[in-house]
Amino acid sequence: NTKITQSPRYLILGRANKSLECEQHLGHNAMYWYKQSAEKPPELMFLYNLKQLIRNETVPSRFIPECPDSSKLLLHISAVDPEDSAVYFCASSNQVSNERLFFGHGTKLSVL
Amino acid sequence: SQLAEENLWALSVHEGESVTVNCSYKTSITALQWYRQKSGEGPAQLILIRSNEREKRNGRLRATLDTSSQSSSLSITATRCEDTAVYFCATDANSAGNKLTFGIGTRVLVRP
Repeated sequence: NTKITQSPRYLILGRANKSLECEQHLGHNAMYWYKQSAEKPPELMFLYNLKQLIRNETVPSRFIPECPDSSKLLLHISAVDPEDSAVYFCASSNQVSNERLFFGHGTKLSVL
Repeated sequence: SQLAEENLWALSVHEGESVTVNCSYKTSITALQWYRQKSGEGPAQLILIRSNEREKRNGRLRATLDTSSQSSSLSITATRCEDTAVYFCATDANSAGNKLTFGIGTRVLVRP
């Protein structure tokens, strides 16, 4: 699936701040950040619709999302914790009705 | 507690055999979706079945939905090695608004 691109693919962090990037080329209105820990299902973190944050699950404040335009999504991470080690997926859908989510390949975050 | 969950953690079949993954959920839903996640990739939707539908097919895939028992199944016929993946059911529980919740997943291994 090259219609949703995420960068970087792999990220190893100590204490440095870093940002994950996502861009979708599907013309979708809704964009999501999901976190998937090892052997677990994806869990919703944030949901944007038409650049507006409309869903903010219980996520530590060190994760800050940003939607600079309707096709791009960023996730800023600061002062990471070992429990943050996971794969972070960006996804998009035509509407927020969740009829079908398209996922990127994910960014695997490893916290040292 | 899980809003949706698959009933078995892992299944193993030989190529050409059929396999069925089951899912149960706990609240009323508008639709149930089945996703497949191959190693190193994001989940990809296979089938969406609405609450007023009992069966949905997509090639070798067949999904059923029983709203009275709050359960669903996904069957794959004539399995191939490339069907090896984790299969998730996901629901948009009416009480959860626009949040799609994934079950814990069933790992299916198709052996040559």
